[in-house]
Amino acid sequence: DSGVTQTPKHLITATGQRVTLRCSPRSGDLSVYWYQQSLDQGLQFLIQYYNGEERAKGNILERFSAQQFPDLHSELNLSSLELGDSALYFCASSVDPPRGQGLYNSPLHFGNGTRLTVT
Amino acid sequence: GQQVMQIPQYQHVQEGEDFTTYCNSSTTLSNIQWYKQRPGGHPVFLIQLVKSGEVKKQKRLTFQFGEAKKNSSLHITATQTTDVGTYFCAHHTDKLIFGTGTRLQVFP
Repeated sequence: DSGVTQTPKHLITATGQRVTLRCSPRSGDLSVYWYQQSLDQGLQFLIQYYNGEERAKGNILERFSAQQFPDLHSELNLSSLELGDSALYFCASSVDPPRGQGLYNSPLHFGNGTRLTVT
Repeated sequence: GQQVMQIPQYQHVQEGEDFTTYCNSSTTLSNIQWYKQRPGGHPVFLIQLVKSGEVKKQKRLTFQFGEAKKNSSLHITATQTTDVGTYFCAHHTDKLIFGTGTRLQVFP
């Protein structure tokens, strides 16, 4: 058990709809990362938050947004869903240091993922 | 952005054979991490390398970081069916960028 909790485990929805994926990081981790993994594909970095603030952004679509709340849990919102958005969405957490205060080399601990199917 | 390529994309081996996956970057990497993702599972951290020429071992797994810090390899000796999965290298800057992954299948 990585200590990272993701809900829901599965999500089936129709094109055009909006969904919210939730992630609770490991106790003590301030960083939350979101990744998308399409079928038999690699892990595409979407976005990272550190202690409530956006820290880094990847190839995240404008239809997607995320936030990290004061209790450090994070939500990934996907809107105007398309068939191609069907994928496994992983959240991961880490003990990254504050910006400019050390090396970014802490391991990431992944949740079990949310499998999104858009029909 | 920084690209980290892995080869091969797929590898099928007979149980007991060795396996190696390579990770290559066009630019110098400050560190390299390795993860394993079992079928149907999530990525799990294996190890991190930070020094030029560094070699680390975990039982049958040997990890190397190139002298120029532009490449890395993971070698598994005498594979077992439990080694099945996809192995990813990753480079951590302000975000963790994963390589393309190598899927290993082990036949008993």
